[in-house]
Amino acid sequence: DAGVTQSPTHLIKTRGQQVTLRCSPISGHKSVSWYQQVLGQGPQFIFQYYEKEERGRGNFPDRFSARQFPNYSSELNVNALLLGDSALYLCASRGGGAGANVLTFGAGSRLTVL
Amino acid sequence: QQQVKQSPQSLIVQKGGISIINCAYENTAFDYFPWYQQFPGKGPALLIAIRPDVSEKKEGRFTISFNKSAKQFSLHIMDSQPGDSATYFCAASRNNNDMRFGAGTRLTVKP
Repeated sequence: DAGVTQSPTHLIKTRGQQVTLRCSPISGHKSVSWYQQVLGQGPQFIFQYYEKEERGRGNFPDRFSARQFPNYSSELNVNALLLGDSALYLCASRGGGAGANVLTFGAGSRLTVL
Repeated sequence: QQQVKQSPQSLIVQKGGISIINCAYENTAFDYFPWYQQFPGKGPALLIAIRPDVSEKKEGRFTISFNKSAKQFSLHIMDSQPGDSATYFCAASRNNNDMRFGAGTRLTVKP
């Protein structure tokens, strides 16, 4: 059984560039959430999508955007990268029913902005 | 954005000892309180979770104690093992949305 898969695993960008991160949820999971984890800190909520609709947004600037596709995969886009955007970006999916509360995380995409 | 406060930042425990990590929250609308465990290079993984209508939940060596009136909850790891060495995060969410995490506790269990 494949878990949550994210790509790329590592990437390096320079200030001002744009980045797209991809996530495939667990099969059957319709909800995807994105989190930013700066080194030494807890994950910070960025977005939640369910059935292709945005269901929540954290306190992040408009440079951050996301979308969910009909197959429930998702992309996170960050424009005009800043040094402070360097972090581990985590994607998590959740199922329905009794498992609706359980977030299952991928291993993350490590972004370094130089 | 940090709505869940976690302490201590780091914890060192001897093998066989009890590890205790505490969390406090502000939003009384939260209805689900999980603990996640994260190893280096991995995403967080659910360890154990509780709802506010229960004061304690135990799964193996892991126990959550929940105090609704104080808006606090804690994780107890009994008989701590070196393999438990990881970073632990408390979290809280409401209506299956917007899960908010604490800043994390780095646990080291010495052999």
